[in-house]
Amino acid sequence: DQQVKQNSPSLSVQEGRISILNCDYTNSMFDYFLWYKKYPAEGPTFLISISSIKDKNEDGRFTVFLNKSAKHLSLHIVPSQPGDSAVYFCAASRNAGNNRKLIWGLGTSLAVNP
Amino acid sequence: DGGITQSPKYLFRKEGQNVTLSCEQNLNHDAMYWYRQDPGQGLRLIYYSQIVNDFQKGDIAEGYSVSREKKESFPLTVTSAQKNPTAFYLCASSPRGAPPTQYFGPGTRLLVL
Repeated sequence: DQQVKQNSPSLSVQEGRISILNCDYTNSMFDYFLWYKKYPAEGPTFLISISSIKDKNEDGRFTVFLNKSAKHLSLHIVPSQPGDSAVYFCAASRNAGNNRKLIWGLGTSLAVNP
Repeated sequence: DGGITQSPKYLFRKEGQNVTLSCEQNLNHDAMYWYRQDPGQGLRLIYYSQIVNDFQKGDIAEGYSVSREKKESFPLTVTSAQKNPTAFYLCASSPRGAPPTQYFGPGTRLLVL
């Protein structure tokens, strides 16, 4: 049962345009959502997170939007650059005492074309 | 220079052999995690530890074992009971509190000969 879903396996955009990566979740108890970027044969790199009490968080070219009623979040990258080409993972967490685990989506592969 | 190190980068295992993957962090993080990634797949949690001398099974713990004798170290042993060990193994750590950000090492690729 996939609690965090990234329904688009891949996305292709032109350099300079906006990239929008989507993520849906089923568990309303999640209190944090995180986005990671991963290059092949490397560990994921943390990009940005958002608390469930907020609807937007921005860090440079990266903005995450959260729509709790729709159980949906999205990562916007503006402007997109060729170096942004990577797999992007959405992850969610629920505070269960000291047991903090991340529940991961399957990832979306982003290709930014020059 | 703080971070998470994993060694070796590549590891070869013969049939019936146990192998141990190293993970060390100098970030003073309490929690550490082991994940497995297969081609075209997401990250699957093998084991995690929130504190020294304690650890819990993740979603795919069968055929693996861990120890957490020191805060900085969380080695993973892939035993001969793991029938399909070829994968990319990732170690992560996280500090207490929120947000629950995990920081990853560079990974170890395990191949079966």
